[in-house]
Amino acid sequence: GAVVSQHPSRVICKSGTSVKIECRSLDFQATTMFWYRQFPKQSLMLMATSNEGSKATYEQGVEKDKFLINHASLTLSTLTVTSAHPEDSSFYICSAARVGEQYFGPGTRLTVT
Amino acid sequence: KQEVTQIPAALSVPEGENLVLNCSFTDSAIYNLQWFRQDPGKGLTSLLLIQSSQREQTSGRLNASLDKSSGRSTLYIAASQPGDSATYLCAVKDNFNKFYFGSGTKLNVKP
Repeated sequence: GAVVSQHPSRVICKSGTSVKIECRSLDFQATTMFWYRQFPKQSLMLMATSNEGSKATYEQGVEKDKFLINHASLTLSTLTVTSAHPEDSSFYICSAARVGEQYFGPGTRLTVT
Repeated sequence: KQEVTQIPAALSVPEGENLVLNCSFTDSAIYNLQWFRQDPGKGLTSLLLIQSSQREQTSGRLNASLDKSSGRSTLYIAASQPGDSATYLCAVKDNFNKFYFGSGTKLNVKP
């Protein structure tokens, strides 16, 4: 139990386009989901906290208009990178909270050319 | 703000050796501490979770300790194997459900 999936696992897009990444809790309901970003050889940095049915809370320095988060249901949160630029290329990982624990997805590798 | 530091950044050992990975954190007001394994280009695999009231946890060849008052945790790996090669991440969770990750220790176990 407690499986979290992400789709797509890899995506390549051109600069200026938008990309949507999905995070799903497959066998449990998650009222809270988290989005992290990991640059090469660096650790994970929390970007935002997403609560079902309400606006996401963004960490300092993360542009909310650039990284749009929607948590429309108890099993799905989406992260949309708008007008992507090469510096947005990174590994994006989500996690879903259940009973005080977080379960991490496998990550999405975004490359912006 | 919580800061998590891991030492060493990289470690290379021969197969069979016992080893210790270190993690330190600046704010002792934590909810729990967790050790993860990350393989290249992959997500996180949870190895051990220590609640703030606990001192250690064990799973197979892995043992993690926690000294909350001094802001330290260690991950002990016994009889290392090449399959243990990965990056090991230490993360502390605060009372607001936020994780703070260290930058990891990249372990290479040589056959």
